[in-house]
Amino acid sequence: AQKITQTQPGMFVQEKEAVTLDCTYDTSDPSYGLFWYKQPSSGEMIFLIYQGSYDQQNATEGRYSLNFQKARKSANLVISASQLGDSAMYFCAMRERLSNAGKSTFGDGTTLTVKP
Amino acid sequence: EAGVTQFPSHSVIEKGQTVTLRCDPISGHDNLYWYRRVMGKEIKFLLHFVKESKQDESGMPNNRFLAERTGGTYSTLKVQPAELEDSGVYFCASSPGLAGEAEQFFGPGTRLTVL
Repeated sequence: AQKITQTQPGMFVQEKEAVTLDCTYDTSDPSYGLFWYKQPSSGEMIFLIYQGSYDQQNATEGRYSLNFQKARKSANLVISASQLGDSAMYFCAMRERLSNAGKSTFGDGTTLTVKP
Repeated sequence: EAGVTQFPSHSVIEKGQTVTLRCDPISGHDNLYWYRRVMGKEIKFLLHFVKESKQDESGMPNNRFLAERTGGTYSTLKVQPAELEDSGVYFCASSPGLAGEAEQFFGPGTRLTVL
């Protein structure tokens, strides 16, 4: 079974509106971290936000917030007030503490297009 | 402080040739990871170094791929001989720790095209 699932291959959002990118995960490790990365057309991987499995509150970083629902094993990324520069591929990833020695497992990615 | 750097940024080679990719991690990061994204698919783990030792190479696709990390500093990933299906973007990442909360810092990637 895939460990990270991003069910939205592509998403469109109007500039200045909010958008939610979905991510569900599967792990038996009690301790893990969830990450979101942005990959613009230039190709580099840009770290956006991190959520630890034991964190009580949802992570926020500027216009990015992570809607963490542990029981549902979901870690959706919310981008508020979308900007044209947000158009990119977005990857959800997980690192497990006890297994897999810290390597990241990625979802297939979601291509976000912000419309003016 | 410099981030993770990778060289070259792009490489175009013919099937059967050899290519060597280089990654310089952030200074002081013992953990170095190689990933690749081929044909627009998901990013997949290749291998993990802790200092100069290979901790996990379970993601290496076959014996045409050879990774080294000299003295626990920079790492190279050699593909010999390259095949068409090796085309993709190869990412290197480093982190100071293994814990799930430790961020992995990614390099800009090397785009490999095999003709």
